[in-house]
Amino acid sequence: GAGVSQSPRYKVAKRGQDVALRCDPISGHVSLFWYQQALGQGPEFLTYFQNEAQLDKSGLPSDRFFAERPEGSVSTLKIQRTQQEDSAVYLCASSLQGNYGYTFGSGTRLTVV
Amino acid sequence: SQQGEEDPQALSIQEGENATMNCSYKTSINNLQWYRQNSGRGLVHLILIRSNEREKHSGRLRVTLDTSKKSSSLLITASRAADTASYFCATDAWTDKLIFGTGTRLQVFP
Repeated sequence: GAGVSQSPRYKVAKRGQDVALRCDPISGHVSLFWYQQALGQGPEFLTYFQNEAQLDKSGLPSDRFFAERPEGSVSTLKIQRTQQEDSAVYLCASSLQGNYGYTFGSGTRLTVV
Repeated sequence: SQQGEEDPQALSIQEGENATMNCSYKTSINNLQWYRQNSGRGLVHLILIRSNEREKHSGRLRVTLDTSKKSSSLLITASRAADTASYFCATDAWTDKLIFGTGTRLQVFP
């Protein structure tokens, strides 16, 4: 597609439920990034892939968060046993290479109740 | 943690006026970028300035960078109601990941 596609657009999860958020980057984009954005704040880095290799996962808040990009294209961010503090917008971005101008998706708004 | 701090946190102006936003950051950088976010949407890349550049223009946007002060400014000239959005600076600290600031919410009144 022409842009970065994220699904679902909105997700309501009960506390303790597992969720999976999908990111479909621009075709040919080598680098893929996940960010978490709390209301009124800037995006916070979670993790980064170059092709299928996860090069940096230093921003993942706990071991309940897991991301993968098995074939170097689509990526999934999984959150296990969701908690209320996980409520945020999860943004995915991709770039041809490195950080020279990310293209962001519209995000998934996760609400944990 | 967030690398950059923007000020002001919020800015309200009339159409036609100029809007200036400032960003301060903490570490050495290779480049600094500015992004815009409309409510409920993803971020859109506006402009990139490299650490060896001092000023860059793109349309109505003018960005300056002072690496000695670890600061940058974004000027939007002749603002329009459609410029209403949040604006974020982002720095790279010589890595591939970008670290975003806290943002400035700009409101332009017609």
